[in-house]
Amino acid sequence: DTAVSQTPKYLVTQMGNDKSIKCEQNLGHDTMYWYKQDSKKFLKIMFSYNNKELIINETVPNRFSPKSPDKAHLNLHINSLELGDSAVYFCASSQGTTFSTDTQYFGPGTRLTVL
Amino acid sequence: AQKVTQAQTEISVVEKEDVTLDCVYETRDTTYYLFWYKQPPSGELVFLIRRNSFDEQNEISGRYSWNFQKSTSSFNFTITASQVVDSAVYFCALSEVNTGFQKLVFGTGTRLLVSP
Repeated sequence: DTAVSQTPKYLVTQMGNDKSIKCEQNLGHDTMYWYKQDSKKFLKIMFSYNNKELIINETVPNRFSPKSPDKAHLNLHINSLELGDSAVYFCASSQGTTFSTDTQYFGPGTRLTVL
Repeated sequence: AQKVTQAQTEISVVEKEDVTLDCVYETRDTTYYLFWYKQPPSGELVFLIRRNSFDEQNEISGRYSWNFQKSTSSFNFTITASQVVDSAVYFCALSEVNTGFQKLVFGTGTRLLVSP
């Protein structure tokens, strides 16, 4: 069984379009995250949700809007896509209790290419 | 600010050689956690180990071992008798608790190429 899953795995789209990436975890975790990995493989956190509430927002452009319908799902919607948005986007989850440091488990990634 | 440095961009070895991947971190926290993740060519991120700042014992798991030295702020990773399947990008990461919740700060990764 896949612990953290993302769809789609690949996404190719034109500049200016709006697209969404979905993430689901079946680990029973309370916290979910979105990370962006650029072309140089650098990984940086974008957002984090705990029990459907936004807890970390790393000065990401407001064209990016995460949505968490329940604690097992965290979707990422991107408006008006730009060339610089091309990257691999990873979803992750962790147990997420306050002031603890839990292991984050990552999904397989979504490779977004903006043409 | 917290920072993780992986100075080795790429390492090439021949199968069966031992290889050590370096990780140096900076933090003002007295309690923190360090992680290693593996990213094989298929692209997923695989968790390898988590170590807290109070536990400086070295850890061994099969051909993998980790050397945590608080005095030098290092958390190095050694693969013994490397295999082609070890070829991947390896990331070291440091936990940072932000408003009570954790986020990971990653190093830039070390690409390991193991040739037959």
